[in-house]
Amino acid sequence: EPEVTQTPSHQVTQMGQEVILRCVPISNHLYFYWYRQILGQKVEFLVSFYNNEISEKSEIFDDQFSVERPDGSNFTLKIRSTKLEDSAMYFCASSAERAETQYFGPGTRLLVL
Amino acid sequence: AQSVTQLGSHVSVSEGALVLLRCNYSSSVPPYLFWYVQYPNQGLQLLLKYTTGATLVKGINGFEAEFKKSETSFHLTKPSAHMSDAAEYFCAVTSNSGGYQKVTFGTGTKLQVIP
Repeated sequence: EPEVTQTPSHQVTQMGQEVILRCVPISNHLYFYWYRQILGQKVEFLVSFYNNEISEKSEIFDDQFSVERPDGSNFTLKIRSTKLEDSAMYFCASSAERAETQYFGPGTRLLVL
Repeated sequence: AQSVTQLGSHVSVSEGALVLLRCNYSSSVPPYLFWYVQYPNQGLQLLLKYTTGATLVKGINGFEAEFKKSETSFHLTKPSAHMSDAAEYFCAVTSNSGGYQKVTFGTGTKLQVIP
């Protein structure tokens, strides 16, 4: 069964450093998403991406964040200058159509020191 | 706007007992509703979903949920709990109307199954 994959599974970084989280969505899906889950809190929407552009973003997704689909398979989330409060589990998701079921990857646990 | 409220952040049941996890939603447009499960240190796995049609939906692992528009509810049930059901369960809502793309999650309910 096709699945969303994410790398790395864990990343530790120093405050102020740039990090890139990588995702490979399900191959025939057209919509891509990033969510985050701060420890002990609920899953929060960050951004949705379709047709090579952001289609919706939350207030969390400020200028420090960017997304890119650099090739036909990868979907990345970049945090330019990490802050302590960026420590969270980041989930990538994809769906075949808008509002169709979003399938989630296993997540990348980011720890900012 | 859309929102989800899950009543009870922790629920404990005995093995073999009924599981009932409560979810109420708010949506200004017809909702699509989901239950996801998250096992420790793992990602989100879809349990079941409601989009249109039959209001009683069956999912994996013996779970089911019923969409009740009049009560704005989408409670998750399982007749007999198993030890392997211990996990955190998230109710979520989105819609095919109103331009929504994001899924809005509830705060989650941790299910403990007591032997």
